[in-house]
Amino acid sequence: EIVLTQSPGTLSLSPGERVTLSCRASQSVSISYLAWYQQKPGQAPRLLIYGASNRATGIPDRFSGSGSGTDFTLTISRLEPEDFAVYYCQQYDNSPPMYTFGQGTKLEIK
Amino acid sequence: EVQLVESGGGLVQPGGSLRLSCAGSGYTFSSYPMHWVRQAPGKGLDFVSVISSQGGTTYYANSVKGRFTISRDNSKNTLYLQMGSLRPEDTAVYYCARNLVTDKGRGLDYWGQGTLVTVSS
Repeated sequence: EIVLTQSPGTLSLSPGERVTLSCRASQSVSISYLAWYQQKPGQAPRLLIYGASNRATGIPDRFSGSGSGTDFTLTISRLEPEDFAVYYCQQYDNSPPMYTFGQGTKLEIK
Repeated sequence: EVQLVESGGGLVQPGGSLRLSCAGSGYTFSSYPMHWVRQAPGKGLDFVSVISSQGGTTYYANSVKGRFTISRDNSKNTLYLQMGSLRPEDTAVYYCARNLVTDKGRGLDYWGQGTLVTVSS
């Protein structure tokens, strides 16, 4: 079973800054099967990125995803006040068919 | 507009059962695999189960295998999760989510608002 480890656990930044969040897999993951989500308190998660680098419908272009193999990143080029939230990566594994999430990175206002 | 609306959550005693429902609208329900994902209070997201678009294939997290059953009725545009032998550690908000599958990748692109299941005596 593939385990996803996100780092850091919490990040304190200011609006306008650039941030890169990390997601590391215990085994190689197909880029097609790596996604990123944003979750705000009291809300359902929202899909940001699928296939490692494809923005979901309606997602601003300040969000970008990259990576391959075991190392993936989510970058927010310029933080807006509404971007402070928890971010999760997720992968799909064919054998056995499993969808697993990382433990999340909390982005908080400094 | 795509909408997913869960129902059926509540308080149940350990060992009890509960059935969650998720009604989909605004899209062709039968064209998409569907997931249940849960989130314990203050914790992260956990995959629970997935069902193929026509219902013929299902998979479960090890933590719920043998206790939970996922199903769907495409004629009613509804997804279900039958939960049995419930334990306190099953306490969580349960979300249903649509599985986007494209040639560029996969992800859960629409989510319901969640329904809270509390297992306690």
